[in-house]
Amino acid sequence: EVRLVESGGGLVPPGRSLRLSCVASGFTFDDYGIHWVRQVPGKGLEWVSGITWNSGSIDYADSVKGRFTISRDNAKNALYLEMNSLRVEDTAFYYCAKDYGRRGSSFVGDYWGQGTLVTVSS
Amino acid sequence: EIVLTQSPGTLSLSPGERATLSCRASQSVPSSKLVWYQQKPDRAPRLLIFGASGRATGIPDRFSGSVSGTDFTLTITRLEPEDFAVYFCQQYGSSPYTFGQGTKLEIK
Repeated sequence: EVRLVESGGGLVPPGRSLRLSCVASGFTFDDYGIHWVRQVPGKGLEWVSGITWNSGSIDYADSVKGRFTISRDNAKNALYLEMNSLRVEDTAFYYCAKDYGRRGSSFVGDYWGQGTLVTVSS
Repeated sequence: EIVLTQSPGTLSLSPGERATLSCRASQSVPSSKLVWYQQKPDRAPRLLIFGASGRATGIPDRFSGSVSGTDFTLTITRLEPEDFAVYFCQQYGSSPYTFGQGTKLEIK
């Protein structure tokens, strides 16, 4: 069974940092790209960042470029999102999602985690 | 970036009826690389359709997708009670990967 479990969310003041983690199981982790997608509660979805299976290609939404850093540790089946200079508008549920295509380079989320809530507020 | 506009915002139908959801792209989506997701309250999105018309694993055949130019359609024939949810389209033809704002399918 494919599972993705996010952690690391919480309440943080504006300007501070937070690191999210996503641990995967049930598939060959180092064969698939993984992405972060966020959702303000009750609102729409926003793709945040993605990393290919071998970390050879990394991409970010303009809204987080220069502040967020995605990385992965294939030995640990883990994905990370380092979030710096957090803003109130970064408040959302953050989901990690597995790409459908083996060794692909785009984003079709066939499996998603349950999400972790990040709240940026003073 | 490619902007996706979904319509209607809310669709009120009864079980057994047919639902037609629209997703219009602001420009051509390369190779019709568009997916549809279903999301229920407090749940993560669930992949329904990829490549505009391919059904994901385990998705019933009452769900189908189609495309005409920059207009994408998700059709659900014979609505079941579990189909009432929010539906999002998303393009993966070019980065940034963008989503539509969603269509809420509610029970009439």
